[in-house]
Amino acid sequence: AQTVTQSQPEMSVQEAETVTLSCTYDTSESDYYLFWYKQPPSRQMILVIRQEAYKQQNATENRFSVNFQKAAKSFSLKISDSQLGDAAMYFCASSRFSQGGSEKLVFGKGTKLTVNP
Amino acid sequence: GAVVSQHPSWVICKSGTSVKIECRSLDFQATTMFWYRQFPKQSLMLMATSNEGSKATYEQGVEKDKFLINHASLTLSTLTVTSAHPEDSSFYICSARRPGRPGGTQYFGPGTRLLVL
Repeated sequence: AQTVTQSQPEMSVQEAETVTLSCTYDTSESDYYLFWYKQPPSRQMILVIRQEAYKQQNATENRFSVNFQKAAKSFSLKISDSQLGDAAMYFCASSRFSQGGSEKLVFGKGTKLTVNP
Repeated sequence: GAVVSQHPSWVICKSGTSVKIECRSLDFQATTMFWYRQFPKQSLMLMATSNEGSKATYEQGVEKDKFLINHASLTLSTLTVTSAHPEDSSFYICSARRPGRPGGTQYFGPGTRLLVL
């Protein structure tokens, strides 16, 4: 079974500092996609960043970047210049294809990020 | 990003009644939508995949007669919790994915909080 592991239940960072959230995954798919989603207290799931596994270049979105290590099956998220609004639950997810051909997401258990002023 | 709406955002009902939750994709046609359930401080659990014009595909352990899914149009999927009981109280989230190539981002609705008394 495909699994996504987030080993850090909670993390904290000082405002304006940098923090890295860890994620490892296990998949038998040859082609797959990786995502980081953010869930603030409103509980709205928001896409932070997306990585295509066949691309070697790490994805970046403004202050958010990933360190994608395909051989190690590692997909960590780096948040630079942390802001108070970054405080949220962060979920790592990978795509998987079911037997019927439908593409689904497998989520990790999440990391709660606190940003201290 | 795309916009997905859910209605209602909050529902309180008596045990034994049925509750319908709507999920709408507002700015693209979604051939596939997903329904998740999230317990407090836990990750998202996929319940079922909703396919327009065909039967939904349920994940293992999810009662299809309990959680009825209808995907009647390319912009609307509904989840009906039949004969709801207190243990069905949870946060239900839908998502929609743009059709097309694999790896498409899932866009999430704001969620529906269900409380069964």
